[in-house]
Amino acid sequence: QVQLQESGPGLVKPSETLSLTCTVSAGSIGFYYWSWIRQPPGKGLEWIGYIFYSGSTKYNADLKSRVIMSVDTSKNQLSLKLSSVTAADTAVYYCARSSSFTSPTFDFWGQGILVSVSS
Amino acid sequence: QSALTQPASVSGSPGQSITISCTGTSSDVGGYNYVSWYQQHPGKAPKVIIYDVSNRPSGVSNRFSGSKSGNTASLTISGLQAEDEADYYCSSHTSRTINWVFGGGTKLTVL
Repeated sequence: QVQLQESGPGLVKPSETLSLTCTVSAGSIGFYYWSWIRQPPGKGLEWIGYIFYSGSTKYNADLKSRVIMSVDTSKNQLSLKLSSVTAADTAVYYCARSSSFTSPTFDFWGQGILVSVSS
Repeated sequence: QSALTQPASVSGSPGQSITISCTGTSSDVGGYNYVSWYQQHPGKAPKVIIYDVSNRPSGVSNRFSGSKSGNTASLTISGLQAEDEADYYCSSHTSRTINWVFGGGTKLTVL
């Protein structure tokens, strides 16, 4: 059973860069699309973007100017960087796996990590 | 504002059936058979219960079913159980520049 685990700082200062890592275990990164999805406290889900195992990416246009995703297949890890954060970026951040770039079928999710933006 | 519109809340008694709607446009729900539904219990990650409009992943109860008509997708839960109390989100592929969109979520209360 594939397992995903997000890690990174739980607190980021405004205007700084949020950096998170997702480690995939009991499975390969290969041939899948890996998304980052966030959920502000008490609110709904927002897709941030995905990275294919080959490194190709697609980002939510609303966040595109601030997002960079990367993949390290040797470590089975994905990373997310979100720059110039504000309080509006406070959310639980999830990494999730899908087999398709059209069907929003995320079959495995990490447990999520709460990132707060505050000085 | 979410791209897909869901009712904020629905409720039902044990054993009853309920339906949650998810309304979009021809650019998303109406244009593709790529609608998924997620169940999320408090403090937990979402879990896919329906994909590609009406398909159930292995292990998901057949009490959950999905359908679509025009720009509106629907999730029906039959034989409501206490454990079904959760938040439910729809998601669709979209031809707009964000690829995938979610609904705002619906809180299901089992009375």
